[in-house]
Amino acid sequence: QQQVKQSPQSLIVQKGGISIINCAYENTAFDYFPWYQQFPGKGPALLIAIRPDVSEKKEGRFTISFNKSAKQFSLHIMDSQPGDSATYFCAASRAWRSGGSNYKLTFGKGTLLTVNP
Amino acid sequence: DADVTQTPRNRITKTGKRIMLECSQTKGHDRMYWYRQDPGLGLRLIYYSFDVKDINKGEISDGYSVSRQAQAKFSLSLESAIPNQTALYFCATSVRGVSGANVLTFGAGSRLTVL
Repeated sequence: QQQVKQSPQSLIVQKGGISIINCAYENTAFDYFPWYQQFPGKGPALLIAIRPDVSEKKEGRFTISFNKSAKQFSLHIMDSQPGDSATYFCAASRAWRSGGSNYKLTFGKGTLLTVNP
Repeated sequence: DADVTQTPRNRITKTGKRIMLECSQTKGHDRMYWYRQDPGLGLRLIYYSFDVKDINKGEISDGYSVSRQAQAKFSLSLESAIPNQTALYFCATSVRGVSGANVLTFGAGSRLTVL
């Protein structure tokens, strides 16, 4: 059972355009939603994350939009640049609590973003 | 030096061989993980460890074993490698971040090819 569904699998945008990647989750207990960015030959690295008490979080050109009722969240990259070309993973988990293992991250399958110059 | 170091970075082996992938970290994190990445399948958790004495299976542990030799070292073994274990393997560590968030730090990956 795939608990986090990510789309599209690949995305091509022109420089300066907006890149949008969507994720949907099933487990209503999830309350932490990060996005990881992976460049070729590197491991994924945390890009931005959101908790469900807010509907949007912005860091520079990167914005997470969160819709709790629809159990969906998305990453928007404004003014996309060739340097943003990477694989993006959404993920979800419960926040860290004492004991238990329910804070393990469940990842989406990833989106390969290509930004053409 | 990298915070999370994986060795080897690349390995080609034959079916039936025993392979060990090693991971060491300098971040002082208690929690360590092994993930497997395959095209179109994303990151799948193989094993995770909360501390030296606590090791747990992930979603795809069959055919793999792990050893937590110390807080800083977590090894993944394939006792008898098979071709469908050809993949990119990542070690990660985690720490509790702001608001209880689980923030992962990944190594650079170990690419394994089983012929």
